[in-house]
Amino acid sequence: QVQLQESGPGLVKPSETLSLTCTVSGGSISNYYWSWIRQPAGKGLEWIGHIYTSGNTTYNPSLKSRVTMSVDTSKKQFSLKLRSVTAADTAVYYCARDPTEGYNLHFFDYWGQGSLVTVSS
Amino acid sequence: SYELTQPPSVSVSPGQTVSITCSGDDLGDKYSSWYQQRPGQSPVLVIYQDNKRPSGIPERFSGSNSGNTATLTISGTQAMDEAAYFCQAWDSSIVIFGGGTKLTVL
Repeated sequence: QVQLQESGPGLVKPSETLSLTCTVSGGSISNYYWSWIRQPAGKGLEWIGHIYTSGNTTYNPSLKSRVTMSVDTSKKQFSLKLRSVTAADTAVYYCARDPTEGYNLHFFDYWGQGSLVTVSS
Repeated sequence: SYELTQPPSVSVSPGQTVSITCSGDDLGDKYSSWYQQRPGQSPVLVIYQDNKRPSGIPERFSGSNSGNTATLTISGTQAMDEAAYFCQAWDSSIVIFGGGTKLTVL
């Protein structure tokens, strides 16, 4: 059974960088798209972007200027960095697996449990 | 930018059939997926590629997509189906989610 686990600080100061890592267990990290998705309390889901195991990335244009994703296949981990955070970035951050081959079909079959990140001084 | 619109809430009586809609321009030309999210839990995929059910999802969940509307239908709704449901599609190289529908089983 594939499992994803987010890890990282739960509190980040305004203007600093949010950093999260997702560790994949129970399955391969290779040949998949891996996404980050966030959800402010009581609100909907927002896709942040994805990275393929080759390292190719696609980011949501709304966050593109502040986001960097990376992958370390040897550790079965992928990571998110979000720069210059504000209170509006406070949310539960999920990592998720996309089992598709891309093109015009993308969905998420496995999700992490979520990591609450609060932006506050 | 592309938008997916869902009703904020829908209610149903136990054992009845309920449909949750998701609207977007020419959505029928794209693939739609649906996720169930119970309070305090991560989303769970219930329908992908318009009408396919992942392993372990009950047969009472079905999906369709045509024109401007994708629909999630739950037949014989159970109390455990009470949750938020989100539709999702891919457009212009980004993932789009609908705003979510809170399903109440009365």
